[in-house]
Amino acid sequence: DAGVIQSPRHEVTEMGQEVTLRCKPISGHNSLFWYRQTMMRGLELLIYFNNNVPIDDSGMPEDRFSAKMPNASFSTLKIQPSEPRDSAVYFCASSFSSGRANTGELFFGEGSRLTVL
Amino acid sequence: AQSVTQLGSHVSVSEGALVLLRCNYSSSVPPYLFWYVQYPNQGLQLLLKYTSAATLVKGINGFEAEFKKSETSFHLTKPSAHMSDAAEYFCAVSTSGGSNYKLTFGKGTLLTVNP
Repeated sequence: DAGVIQSPRHEVTEMGQEVTLRCKPISGHNSLFWYRQTMMRGLELLIYFNNNVPIDDSGMPEDRFSAKMPNASFSTLKIQPSEPRDSAVYFCASSFSSGRANTGELFFGEGSRLTVL
Repeated sequence: AQSVTQLGSHVSVSEGALVLLRCNYSSSVPPYLFWYVQYPNQGLQLLLKYTSAATLVKGINGFEAEFKKSETSFHLTKPSAHMSDAAEYFCAVSTSGGSNYKLTFGKGTLLTVNP
């Protein structure tokens, strides 16, 4: 089975431009997570969805960030306008949760490395 | 609230030596605990997990971890380090039960293995 697929793997853009990161979770998984990784802050949870519904977006830095999950097989994380401090690796992860079967194990994509100049 | 603290942001060992990466957790309910490994330019991969069964958990690549409730610890060990073990290791905690949850990660420990 294919794992979590993220695109693009690398993105270099200029300050003020819109950035869209994409994620395809593992088929059958019903939870999807967006994380940001930086040297200073480590791994930060930005937002997560359960059954395509945003459950917790308290980690989204500010209004410039938005995330959508229009269906079970696709999610986007958008930054508009982008700023140099948004430079980081953005990871998407998915999992299956169902009552007692829920352990919290996540399956990660390979990440999207964003550089904002 | 739940959290994990990884002691030591960087651990260096010689090839063949014992690997010990420390993790302490804080959780108001019985936790599920995880160790993930991240190789350069890759995503995180699950190494092992504790889900309230056996307290000594064995994972991939010869790693194991022991859950000690009295010490609120979940340290990761490997008897003999290999060059291929060089990576960053993350401890994580989630609360048990429910359909909505999230993992909280530690800051990570970078393991270097010297020949």
